[in-house]
Amino acid sequence: KAGVTQTPRYLIKTRGQQVTLSCSPISGHRSVSWYQQTPGQGLQFLFEYFSETQRNKGNFPGRFSGRQFSNSRSEMNVSTLELGDSALYLCASRNRAVNTEAFFGQGTRLTVV
Amino acid sequence: AQTVTQSQPEMSVQEAETVTLSCTYDTSESDYYLFWYKQPPSRQMILVIRQEAYKQQNATENRFSVNFQKAAKSFSLKISDSQLGDAAMYFCAYRSVSFGNEKLTFGTGTRLTIIP
Repeated sequence: KAGVTQTPRYLIKTRGQQVTLSCSPISGHRSVSWYQQTPGQGLQFLFEYFSETQRNKGNFPGRFSGRQFSNSRSEMNVSTLELGDSALYLCASRNRAVNTEAFFGQGTRLTVV
Repeated sequence: AQTVTQSQPEMSVQEAETVTLSCTYDTSESDYYLFWYKQPPSRQMILVIRQEAYKQQNATENRFSVNFQKAAKSFSLKISDSQLGDAAMYFCAYRSVSFGNEKLTFGTGTRLTIIP
């Protein structure tokens, strides 16, 4: 069974641009969560999608948004990039009916210059 | 809001020895899940062990075991017979059992170095 797949693995963007990151969950997992990991703030919850609906949201500005498709794949978008958005973005998926734990992808390393 | 604290930014242990990583948390909930995740240089978070708060028995997974003290809100990870492949960042995490609440609250992590 394939794991959680995040694309791309690395991104370099310029301040003011926007970026879209993709996450394909494990087959059968309908819950997809996103986290931002930085040296200063650690791991912070961005949001979670289930059945194409955002169910939970962390404390991030509106520049951070996401969506989920009918096949459970999810994308997150960051608009008007700032230098402070440079981070590792991790996606996690879970089958709520089966698993207690979430399974993580390898992340997308975003660098804003 | 729940908080998770890992007070040891770095730890080191000799290969084949035992090491214990500390984690404390704060919550007003009576039932919840606790996890230890490992993040090697590949960056992928890998589940090491999990504990349901309603279970009094400490979880064990091969060389990994936890000491779960619910009253003290403590959840330490013991790694026995440490191996070079255990070198990684270790994160303690909390999740509510409330239906639909998928948020994991992480500690700041402990970097574990294995000395050959």
